[in-house]
Amino acid sequence: NAGVTQTPKFRVLKTGQSMTLLCAQDMNHEYMYWYRQDPGMGLRLIHYSVGEGTTAKGEVPDGYNVSRLKKQNFLLGLESAAPSQTSVYFCASSNFAGVVSRQFFGPGTRLTVL
Amino acid sequence: AQRVTQPEKLLSVFKGAPVELKCNYSYSGSPELFWYVQYSRQRLQLLLRHISRESIKGFTADLNKGETSFHLKKPFAQEEDSAMYYCALPAGSGSARQLTFGSGTQLTVLP
Repeated sequence: NAGVTQTPKFRVLKTGQSMTLLCAQDMNHEYMYWYRQDPGMGLRLIHYSVGEGTTAKGEVPDGYNVSRLKKQNFLLGLESAAPSQTSVYFCASSNFAGVVSRQFFGPGTRLTVL
Repeated sequence: AQRVTQPEKLLSVFKGAPVELKCNYSYSGSPELFWYVQYSRQRLQLLLRHISRESIKGFTADLNKGETSFHLKKPFAQEEDSAMYYCALPAGSGSARQLTFGSGTQLTVLP
């Protein structure tokens, strides 16, 4: 099992460009999440999904959109990138089991917006 | 609102010394708390969760409801313990599968 994978690993964008980050999991997990990691701020939840076809906003959703067309994939889109979106983005997934389940993380995508 | 506070951004200890990474929380109800770890160039992974009451890699953490703390402890630190550590708890009773993370503590174990 590959677990949680993310594509791409690195990306540099110019302000105003758009891009999509892909997250894929092969563990048949119901829940998927997108976080951003910034120095001194820990991980902050951008959007999450509790199942195929559903998405919900997290703590910092502005400037991002997501889609969960297939259970195994969770896409994060930046329509018009801004320098404030320079960050490391992590995807995670978890089971529908118990009150709070362990989250499995991807390797991260390092995004720089110039 | 649920909140996790990790007061130390950086923590350095010598190999063989005890280490304690602090985590304080605010939560209504009985929280389920986690410690996640990120080693250099690796992905974030679960270290331990309080509900399991387990010891992983020599680390333990006890939930203290009176002090609202979930400090991570290890009696004898090793160089391979150097990593970023995050404390986390559920974001809310209505969205129990989300986690709120603290800002993290970078632990460096010196030789």
